[in-house]
Amino acid sequence: QVQLVESGGGVVQPGRSLRLSCAASGFTFSSYGMHWVRQAPGKGLEWVALIWYDGSDKYYADSVKGRFTISRDNSKNTVYVQMNSLRAEDTAVYYCARDPDGSPYNWYFDLWGRGTLVTVSS
Amino acid sequence: SYELTQPPSVSVSPGQTASITCSGNKVGDKYVCWYQQRPGQSPVLIIYQDAKRPSGIPERFSGSNSGNTATLTISGTQAMDEADYYCQAWDSYTAVFGGGTKLAVL
Repeated sequence: QVQLVESGGGVVQPGRSLRLSCAASGFTFSSYGMHWVRQAPGKGLEWVALIWYDGSDKYYADSVKGRFTISRDNSKNTVYVQMNSLRAEDTAVYYCARDPDGSPYNWYFDLWGRGTLVTVSS
Repeated sequence: SYELTQPPSVSVSPGQTASITCSGNKVGDKYVCWYQQRPGQSPVLIIYQDAKRPSGIPERFSGSNSGNTATLTISGTQAMDEADYYCQAWDSYTAVFGGGTKLAVL
């Protein structure tokens, strides 16, 4: 079964860190770029980060650059996002999503996980 | 930074055609895709590369993109199509989403 399953969300205090994981199954994980996309409660979608299929390139939204780090372990079919210096505005459901195209100039998402909720609050 | 603008809401009667626009500077020069998100669910890709439908997406969903506007068209709208719809494009190594449109089937 082709799927993505996120984990690692929870409640965290401002300034603290959290690492999210996304386990992939049912497809050749090492052939696809992987993204993180988030959605604040009641708000729209916001792209967070992309890691290339082999981990060679990574890109970040300005809102998280310098605080978040995306990584992957192709031997474990898992992509991660390490989130440091968390802020209240990082509160959101975090989705991992697969990029089917592989083009550096056309990113989109054909498979999404169910998401994991991160709440940043004191 | 690049912006995509969608109307906050669109209403349509069952069986009629709904059109949702996505405006951006020269968006016709980019590939646009569309996602459907039903309440409490994850987004689903319904249109990619302006007008292509992934496997399993009904033919009543179609897309176009020219000039400064991309459009999602839903023909013969059904009650199950009531959802939030987001357009998305790539710009300068960033994935950009529109603000989303809530489609009401009344």
